Amino acid sequence: TQLLEQSPQFLSIQEGENLTVYCNSSSVFSSLQWYRQEPGEGPVLLVTVVTGGEVKKLKRLTFQFGDARKDSSLHITAAQPGDTGLYLCAGGGKKTDSWGKFQFGAGTQVVVTP
Amino acid sequence: DSGVTQTPKHLITATGQRVTLRCSPRSGDLSVYWYQQSLDQGLQFLIQYYNGEERAKGNILERFSAQQFPDLHSELNLSSLELGDSALYFCASSVGASETYEQYFGPGTRLTVT
Repeated sequence: TQLLEQSPQFLSIQEGENLTVYCNSSSVFSSLQWYRQEPGEGPVLLVTVVTGGEVKKLKRLTFQFGDARKDSSLHITAAQPGDTGLYLCAGGGKKTDSWGKFQFGAGTQVVVTP
Repeated sequence: DSGVTQTPKHLITATGQRVTLRCSPRSGDLSVYWYQQSLDQGLQFLIQYYNGEERAKGNILERFSAQQFPDLHSELNLSSLELGDSALYFCASSVGASETYEQYFGPGTRLTVT
């Protein structure tokens, strides 16, 4: 059972289109991180959000942490083939939990075709 | 290149055997995390060490054990291997113990149990 539910599981779009990936949970997390993973490689951290309602922008990527710190979204504007990869969200240890205990979502596979 | 190294890159062994996976964290990082990634389970947190001490435990089987040495490298020992243990094993490191610190992932060790 995944504590973090990511949707959609798979997304295929054309270059130049926009996309949004969601990460939802019934649990409250003290922080949430987004990673991108390419085949045969380790996940690469994109962003960490820690404050409810926080919005962070990284070039064409916009990340939002829900007010209640239970959900997050990743929006990509004008997607490019280089954005192709598995996008993973991870929730940092719950307030009542020990530090360093990460829960990962199953991921959203994004494919951007030229 | 994240600065985290893992050896070996690939490992093929038989059921019932024991293997050791090795991880060297980024220079200056005190925390090491171990994760297992399989197709049906996604990325699962196994265990975290901080400066030689176990910090947090996730879904780690009793057949698995880990340790972090004084030079901060870590080893994950997998024993009585089963077919279902076939997966990618990732090590990650961070500066501190808290989940708000960025985790940098190594390239992984692909374990195949036959």
